[in-house]
Amino acid sequence: AQKVTQAQTEISVVEKEDVTLDCVYETRDTTYYLFWYKQPPSGELVFLIRRNSFDEQNEISGRYSWNFQKSTSSFNFTITASQVVDSAVYFCALTEGRDDKIIFGKGTRLHILP
Amino acid sequence: DSGVTQTPKHLITATGQRVTLRCSPRSGDLSVYWYQQSLDQGLQFLIQYYNGEERAKGNILERFSAQQFPDLHSELNLSSLELGDSALYFCASTDGGPGELFFGEGSRLTVL
Repeated sequence: AQKVTQAQTEISVVEKEDVTLDCVYETRDTTYYLFWYKQPPSGELVFLIRRNSFDEQNEISGRYSWNFQKSTSSFNFTITASQVVDSAVYFCALTEGRDDKIIFGKGTRLHILP
Repeated sequence: DSGVTQTPKHLITATGQRVTLRCSPRSGDLSVYWYQQSLDQGLQFLIQYYNGEERAKGNILERFSAQQFPDLHSELNLSSLELGDSALYFCASTDGGPGELFFGEGSRLTVL
């Protein structure tokens, strides 16, 4: 069965520090998709990135970067030079190719302290 | 604004009651997902519909049911409510396939 583990329940860092959020997944499929979503204090869930299982290239978008490693079944998310506005709960998610069920991890609550 | 509309935003009811949560997906999106978010369980996938038909099912209780109508809006029915059903219920839509989910603002249900 699919499983997504975000071992870090809560992280606090001081503004401008870099922080990495870990995500480890389990799936029996060779075709799958991985996602990261952000849930700020206002409550809405915002899509950040999608990666398919055949694309192991790392991605950078501004201060955000993602490291996908199939060998360790990990899809980690790094925020560089963190800002207070980055404070949110971040969810990693997984869907397998055969259906559209998207399973979320339990989330990591990130506090960026001024 | 994601384009996904959920009503009501807040709902307070008593144990044993029944409620209906409504979701209007983004214009053109055929697929609707329902999730339950509680403090201890994170975001739990409940059920997904695609163009009126059930596509995938998660850990949805038998007391809960959902449907998607011809106009593509969806309703989640929760019956015989228990205290533990208190949670934030999210609807999300996508145009189909494992793509970006667009989430509504959620319906916060409180069962007293």
